[in-house]
Amino acid sequence: DAGITQSPRHKVTETGTPVTLRCHQTENHRYMYWYRQDPGHGLRLIHYSYGVKDTDKGEVSDGYSVSRSKTEDFLLTLESATSSQTSVYFCAISAWTGTSYEQYFGPGTRLTVT
Amino acid sequence: TQLLEQSPQFLSIQEGENLTVYCNSSSVFSSLQWYRQEPGEGPVLLVTVVTGGEVKKLKRLTFQFGDARKDSSLHITAAQPGDTGLYLCAGATGGYNKLIFGAGTRLAVHP
Repeated sequence: DAGITQSPRHKVTETGTPVTLRCHQTENHRYMYWYRQDPGHGLRLIHYSYGVKDTDKGEVSDGYSVSRSKTEDFLLTLESATSSQTSVYFCAISAWTGTSYEQYFGPGTRLTVT
Repeated sequence: TQLLEQSPQFLSIQEGENLTVYCNSSSVFSSLQWYRQEPGEGPVLLVTVVTGGEVKKLKRLTFQFGDARKDSSLHITAAQPGDTGLYLCAGATGGYNKLIFGAGTRLAVHP
């Protein structure tokens, strides 16, 4: 399962409050990603990291920030949560197989913004 | 904006039937991955195809990568209720193995 955990697994928060989601990996992978999944959209990339303190924006980064101060942890922050950020959030890592990279996903965090 | 169009969106079939799911794009991908997702869980990687024209088989599942590396298909032979789930294709593009996902195919196989 690539040793990926996410916390919390479920969260309900109010509009305007800050929220931080945590992704933790145990296998020292360099690349990490945050996605959100909404009905009819598959998964969309929010932010990604290619090393400690090295991050960049994905397709749907507005309203989100990330930090990676240690290889094993990748944090996603919603500075001021909005109802449009109600979603299921997945963290992923990329592992090199020898011929290609493959992404493996955590179990997800279900976030509801009321 | 790169798009990966996946079809059909929904499939409801009887046990024993065959089915094919398609992913198409105008973009070239360095690799393409297929995932299966159960409710309340993260996507689980089924296969990665890398070479144009490549065919991979996983028991009753056959995956094909188009010659131009712009499209892919998943064929399931003699579907079983255990195949029920959400199937996602994802193309690797740009640097850092960023993935573009299709919208998914929700498959229901009835006994």
